[in-house]
Amino acid sequence: QQPVQSPQAVILREGEDAVINCSSSKALYSVHWYRQKHGEAPVFLMILLKGGEQKGHDKISASFNEKKQQSSLYLTASQLSYSGTYFCGTITQGGSEKLVFGKGMKLTVNP
Amino acid sequence: DVKVTQSSRYLVKRTGEKVFLECVQDMDHENMFWYRQDPGLGLRLIYFSYDVKMKEKGDIPEGYSVSREKKERFSLILESASTNQTSMYLCASSLWEYTEAFFGQGTRLTVV
Repeated sequence: QQPVQSPQAVILREGEDAVINCSSSKALYSVHWYRQKHGEAPVFLMILLKGGEQKGHDKISASFNEKKQQSSLYLTASQLSYSGTYFCGTITQGGSEKLVFGKGMKLTVNP
Repeated sequence: DVKVTQSSRYLVKRTGEKVFLECVQDMDHENMFWYRQDPGLGLRLIYFSYDVKMKEKGDIPEGYSVSREKKERFSLILESASTNQTSMYLCASSLWEYTEAFFGQGTRLTVV
């Protein structure tokens, strides 16, 4: 079952911030975040495994809530290169290792 | 560099044909995946394999089958292609469930 991502699309000006949410009806083993630019393959950003975890690099960070059913990706001081579609992928606890992705969030960063 | 290679970037097939999409990874990964990507629907899992000859259905397996005879190769088979299978197909692999997945460049399949 696909995780639910919100919002579906965002348009920003350079320097603005964005938050992308990902939620599941079931407790998760892990959450994976990827970015896909037009015409390219998705590229890995980060994985979160522990409830309450927060991690990040540069100005992109993510959190995983204590119940392990929600994650958010934070894009701070956005750059033009952040444009693309962001996907969260989830693996459910107690099940197989199937990695299931949401519908994605299209981010456009304008000068 | 790690690599996931899909045999074709573009394919055009006729309705009713049997179609094979091939994916090879050179990282000795345990897990391999086939996804279908359509506008507004995200990446939908078709099939997943966690070992040689082992497979699990994803969310949309109807009309598809898979084969994994060797660890490095995962094939997606459209037994009788239909126009509603026109799509972008992405293959991915990962070592374990807690490691990143690497994607191939995709195969744009058009069924006419």
